[in-house]
Amino acid sequence: GDSVTQMEGPVTLSEEAFLTINCTYTATGYPSLFWYVQYPGEGLQLLLKATKADDKGSNKGFEATYRKETTSFHLEKGSVQVSDSAVYFCALNRDDKIIFGKGTRLHILP
Amino acid sequence: GAGVSQTPSNKVTEKGKYVELRCDPISGHTALYWYRQSLGQGPEFLIYFQGTGAADDSGLPNDRFFAVRPEGSVSTLKIQRTERGDSAVYLCASSTSGPQETQYFGPGTRLLVL
Repeated sequence: GDSVTQMEGPVTLSEEAFLTINCTYTATGYPSLFWYVQYPGEGLQLLLKATKADDKGSNKGFEATYRKETTSFHLEKGSVQVSDSAVYFCALNRDDKIIFGKGTRLHILP
Repeated sequence: GAGVSQTPSNKVTEKGKYVELRCDPISGHTALYWYRQSLGQGPEFLIYFQGTGAADDSGLPNDRFFAVRPEGSVSTLKIQRTERGDSAVYLCASSTSGPQETQYFGPGTRLLVL
């Protein structure tokens, strides 16, 4: 069945460092792809999405490009901030549901 | 405006007991979803409602789990004869008209079965 694999955490970076969180997927057809974020003490929220191949989703300085040839949707940010510390989930939609990866915890040090 | 709310925020119960978890979706959202998030894992789909009816309940793990949405708004997830393995965070989400729209998540109910 469909699945999402993302890099294991925790990932620890210094403020202003470049961030990449890898995500690959297995799916039939062409699902939409998502990155969700869960800040400490808060609910899960959509960070960005892409609905077709070569689309780039972006929000709050984060970007991810839907790569059909490599079945990937890596999350990137050029300069992270302490406030970006959170758990990040890569996901895809299949029929009525969203299928999530296991999540990657990100710690940003001041 | 108000987001998705869930009550209680935490629930501790004993093995074998019955529990109910409540979800209030965003006003006007016809689609409602339940997910379960175990420690260290991503959320896993349980059930999807369109209006009052369960359009997809393929994620419910067994017949101890049941959910209702009688008036097409509030939903209740019911777990009978709870087991320690049911301990998890139960998340509710809603979207305007269906799965093709963005799902907005509530803060979750953390269930602990002793």
